[in-house]
Amino acid sequence: GNSVTQMEGPVTLSEEAFLTINCTYTATGYPSLFWYVQYPGEGLQLLLKATKADDKGSNKGFEATYRKETTSFHLEKGSVQVSDSAVYFCARTFTGGGNKLTFGTGTQLKVEL
Amino acid sequence: DTGVSQNPRHKITKRGQNVTFRCDPISEHNRLYWYRQTLGQGPEFLTYFQNEAQLEKSRLLSDRFSAERPKGSFSTLEIQRTEQGDSAMYLCASSSLAGGNNEQFFGPGTRLTVL
Repeated sequence: GNSVTQMEGPVTLSEEAFLTINCTYTATGYPSLFWYVQYPGEGLQLLLKATKADDKGSNKGFEATYRKETTSFHLEKGSVQVSDSAVYFCARTFTGGGNKLTFGTGTQLKVEL
Repeated sequence: DTGVSQNPRHKITKRGQNVTFRCDPISEHNRLYWYRQTLGQGPEFLTYFQNEAQLEKSRLLSDRFSAERPKGSFSTLEIQRTEQGDSAMYLCASSSLAGGNNEQFFGPGTRLTVL
């Protein structure tokens, strides 16, 4: 299929802590992989993406590497801030064209002082 | 251009009523997508258009749902005879085929509550 599995939240961290949010995808076809972020009261925004194996997407201090051997695309950040508090969604494109997306269930991140 | 816009932002209706939502994509984006998001879940694909042509519909899109994009610009999503299970956030996204970029830009969504 075309599914994405990501770790459940909420994840609560102290400011400046290291963040990892796990994401795995079904190994169907050659999907592009994405992390979207949804801040409170706002719409989904693309955080980063990777289109082929071993690509690393990065933005705003966040990184994720497309790992074909483990079918993973884990999101990491070395030092989180309170402003990073949001819901993070991992997504992949469907096989078969159209660039439709299938999303994980989302992981809520809370960063405290 | 201020991004993808959706109207209304909130809609409360009684079961059995019809509702229509509108999405205005980013100018000149030729692809437009509709997704549905329920509480605690990620968005689920419903349908998409390339210009005015509706190219695919998900099995989630029952015959009570219809979407149009008559001039290849804005799109409408209509739900007939609404049911309580239709309560969700309806998201619209658009993208451009230019340069092979497959990034989708999302609107703020329309939150539907069916009483």
